[in-house]
Amino acid sequence: GEDVEQSLFLSVREGDSSVINCTYTDSSSTYLYWYKQEPGAGLQLLTYIFSNMDMKQDQRLTVLLNKKDKHLSLRIADTQTGDSAIYFCAETPRNQGGKLIFGQGTELSVKP
Amino acid sequence: SAVISQKPSRDICQRGTSLTIQCQVDSQVTMMFWYRQQPGQSLTLIATANQGSEATYESGFVIDKFPISRPNLTFSTLTVSNMSPEDSSIYLCSVEGGKGWVTDTQYFGPGTRLTVL
Repeated sequence: GEDVEQSLFLSVREGDSSVINCTYTDSSSTYLYWYKQEPGAGLQLLTYIFSNMDMKQDQRLTVLLNKKDKHLSLRIADTQTGDSAIYFCAETPRNQGGKLIFGQGTELSVKP
Repeated sequence: SAVISQKPSRDICQRGTSLTIQCQVDSQVTMMFWYRQQPGQSLTLIATANQGSEATYESGFVIDKFPISRPNLTFSTLTVSNMSPEDSSIYLCSVEGGKGWVTDTQYFGPGTRLTVL
């Protein structure tokens, strides 16, 4: 079945890099996604990666995809206190009507 | 992407009552979804709202408890019926398939925070 797993917490110092990891089981997804949820807010699409790519860079964000190991990571360079939030990885398995399968979410805490 | 709004943003309700949540998009979209996020948890899909036909429900969710309407390509409602404290959650709509958008990518509304006493 489909399963997406993430570590629950990550704490970093301001200015350091953050790396949030995710593993998934269904290899049929065309895209994999990272969403950000700030306290009391909805989900913001942060970035996504097409399944035939290994890496995608977007300003301070770098997404790495290892299809062989079914491992996705999000690196945030020069992490700021405003990056403190919960980060969800998600996939959309084929033939599931577009349903998003989410990980549990990683709570990123950035200390000044 | 588009502007997605939900009403109400939050509500406190008594058990046994029902609440209807609205989701409005400022452009036409092919797909609309409703998710539930229980306290401290991840998101779970309730149903896909199909325009002009009945919604498609996920396992564990039924139409009598969560009736959904989708009268046109920019609007949907989710009703939480006969509420109990276990229904206290954030309810989020998401949309996909707007003109010029990234394929197969969902954008979320701000959510409706529901507390049932």
